[in-house]
Amino acid sequence: DIVMTQTPLSSPVTLGQPASISCRSSQSLLHSDGNTYLSWLQRRPGQPPRLLIYKISNRFSGVPDRFSGSGAGTDFTLEISRVEAEDVGVYYCVQATQFPLVTFGQGTKLEIK
Amino acid sequence: EVQLVESGGGLVQPGGSLRLSCAASGFTFSNYWMTWVREAPGKRLEWVANINHDGSEKYHADSVKGRFTISRDNVENSLYLQMNSLRAEDTAVYYCARDRGVSLWGRGTLVTVSS
Repeated sequence: DIVMTQTPLSSPVTLGQPASISCRSSQSLLHSDGNTYLSWLQRRPGQPPRLLIYKISNRFSGVPDRFSGSGAGTDFTLEISRVEAEDVGVYYCVQATQFPLVTFGQGTKLEIK
Repeated sequence: EVQLVESGGGLVQPGGSLRLSCAASGFTFSNYWMTWVREAPGKRLEWVANINHDGSEKYHADSVKGRFTISRDNVENSLYLQMNSLRAEDTAVYYCARDRGVSLWGRGTLVTVSS
């Protein structure tokens, strides 16, 4: 199984400042169809997970453009250009390259300093 | 409104059974693969099972294979998870999610396996 490892596990940030979360997979997420099925989820307190980014860098419907994703192969990054109060929560990377087996990172808690 | 709503969780004794349901609305349910994911206390999200559009393909995690069965009813726009021979380690919040990219999630239903 592909293991997803996120760093850091906790990220205190100042409102209006950028934030970055890294995700590393134990093997390449490049699928034979040419796509890389790496997504990012956000879970706000008391809410279910919400898809932010799919296939590395595509923002899902309704996601603000301050969220961006990048990376390739085994190393990926989620960036928030200017953190807002509503961004507090836990962020997960998830791979679906090995679909139907889907695996998740352990989560990164974003909190305001 | 596009949403998924899980139900059917509860407290069950080890060895018991439960059937979880997930009601879909606001989108064409029969067009999508569907997935069950669980989150046990202190552990990361874990894929449990998924099923293709018409139910002809089903996949289950090794941890639940032979005990859990995923199914769907495209007329009722519903997804199910039949859970038998439950163990303490199956205690978790169970979520249904839409498609390969887990693009939509329900709020989850809590399953507690304890005597």
